Parts: sequence; structure tokens; C-alpha cells
Amino acid sequence: GAVVSQHPSRVICKSGTSVKIECRSLDFQATTMFWYRQFPKQSLMLMATSNEGSKATYEQGVEKDKFLINHASLTLSTLTVTSAHPEDSSFYICSARAGTVKETQYFGPGTRLLVL
Amino acid sequence: QKEVEQNSGPLSVPEGAIASLNCTYSDRGSQSFFWYRQYSGKSPELIMFIYSNGDKEDGRFTAQLNKASQYVSLLIRDSQPSDSATYLCAVNEAAGQNFVFGPGTRLSVLP
Repeated sequence: GAVVSQHPSRVICKSGTSVKIECRSLDFQATTMFWYRQFPKQSLMLMATSNEGSKATYEQGVEKDKFLINHASLTLSTLTVTSAHPEDSSFYICSARAGTVKETQYFGPGTRLLVL
Repeated sequence: QKEVEQNSGPLSVPEGAIASLNCTYSDRGSQSFFWYRQYSGKSPELIMFIYSNGDKEDGRFTAQLNKASQYVSLLIRDSQPSDSATYLCAVNEAAGQNFVFGPGTRLSVLP
């Protein structure tokens, strides 16, 4: 199956700093990448959808200036959490899709963020 | 608002039994349906996808789709303790780009 990687897998940072998370599709070209957040014992929450070369589409309630998404190539998308606060501590998961909406999303292993 | 619903569980079954996980969706135009498994603290992994009405089998897993009833299910035969996880149903939006995920059903297989 398709492989999606994320880096880092875990990050601890101080409040007010920015954190960048990378999501890569290793063996396919991802026309669309998705960023999710998951709090403990809760379901996945879609944050934004990004298509290569265009601006990300953010879900309602997600601040685009706080969660910066860049999808510069067909194999890489980045999420930057700017001015992180303790309430941003969560499990961030990306997924990637090769083609049309009918096709499968493959998930990365996730990044656990802890903001002190 | 398009919705995907699942029983949150936990669903407990004894080892060796058949586990039946159900999912209903509201968007009649949905065309593709996916089941993911998520272990605690890990990201979801794809188990199966199904596009057509009827059954699709893959090893111990069978996905069943009934578009008229807007219902999709996952059967796990010969359940093992290692199957204990949260199972997420995902449905594509007919006119959008994204999946809509259900809240997940927590399955516990008791040895």
C-alpha cells in the first residue's frame, strides 16, 4: 500500500513558539493532502484540505493564520502551528490521496505535540 | 449537513466470534466507502474499501454495502484480541473533496 510519513513523530515546545510538521507521500504523488487533529478519546477532526500549488481550504473554526499549510509539491505538505499554546497540544495526523475523491486516503503515523 | 453515524461502543465480543460493525450515512450521492482501524495512540490504517452494493471479502473481513438503505457494515470473522481497536467508517462526499468520518466504534475482543 501507499506510504505516508510524518516528521517529527513527537515534539515538545514552549508556549509562544512555532512548530512545523512535515507530511510526505513516499511512493505516490499526492494531489490532495489533509490535516487532522485528534484529542484523547475523541474522533478525528479535519482541519484543512490542501491541493498542490494552491491555497489550503480550512474547516470552519480553524484559524488559517495560526495553522499555516503549505503544499509546495506533490509529495510534501507542511503544517506550521504558530505561537503555540497548551490548548494546541494534540495528535496531528496527515493523510494523502493520489487522485480523485473516490480514491483512498492514506494516513501518516501522526505527530504528537505537547506545548508547555 | 452530511453525517456518518456509528455506535460508539464499546462492542465486546469473545475471541473467535464474529464482530459486526455498522455505519449509516446521510448523503445519498456518496459513492465510496472505507473502513479504517485505529489502535490507541496510533493513526488510522485502511482495512477495506467498497464501491458497489453487496459484499466484499478480504481475509477475515467482509464489507457490506446497501446504498438504498444508506448502510455499510464491516464483519470480522474469528475475532482476535489483536482486533481490539476503534473502527472508523468513512464516506466520500459526492460533491466535495473529502471523506466524512464517523465517530468510530470501539471494539473489544475478549480472550
